[in-house]
Amino acid sequence: AQSVAQPEDQVNVAEGNPLTVKCTYSVSGNPYLFWYVQYPNRGLQVLLKYITGDNLVKGSYGFEAEFNKSQTSFHLKKPSALVSDSALYFCDVRDDTNAGKSTFGDGTTLTVKP
Amino acid sequence: DAGVTQSPTHLIKTRGQHVTLRCSPISGHKSVSWYQQVLGQGPQFIFQYYEKEERGRGNFPDRFSARQFPNYSSELNVNALLLGDSALYLCASSPGTGVLVTDTQYFGPGTRLTVL
Repeated sequence: AQSVAQPEDQVNVAEGNPLTVKCTYSVSGNPYLFWYVQYPNRGLQVLLKYITGDNLVKGSYGFEAEFNKSQTSFHLKKPSALVSDSALYFCDVRDDTNAGKSTFGDGTTLTVKP
Repeated sequence: DAGVTQSPTHLIKTRGQHVTLRCSPISGHKSVSWYQQVLGQGPQFIFQYYEKEERGRGNFPDRFSARQFPNYSSELNVNALLLGDSALYLCASSPGTGVLVTDTQYFGPGTRLTVL
């Protein structure tokens, strides 16, 4: 069985400060991890994904995420937050023993204040 | 290229009715997945189709069914609607390289279903 947790419902940061949105996961096989962003009344857009290779993954809009196998985490980060980064963020985990079925976390609302 | 399109945008039904939601994938994408997103929660996997065959099913009752057509578009059908079926229904397409676990999903804007 696979599961994913986003422990923070809400993250607030000031513009220009670094941001972190946390994600931890549990899988039976090898993990495949994705981060998505959702703006109001819109579908999800992929930011980045970890399949294999380097533990630090770079994605769209300056976001990056670090895969940590020992801590089973895949936290989303950005060195300098923008007001336009304010949105709902979802972590998605897949497992190669589960036919690629996605399991999403419940989301974290990021608010960046000017 | 156009993104994933879904119709209708909004829908209001009453309990006991049935509903059909439609999805057109990005051109060239062979895999379509359906998700239910209840307010305040992440998307919950309902179905995945690849090359017109069901490849996965989530923990949803048999009232939920889907199919994929030869042009790779898809329909989600829900019978005997319940109040709890009120949600945003998302469709996602992926290139379908055959390794579905690593495919990036591209989501449509969703259909907002309200059951009264």
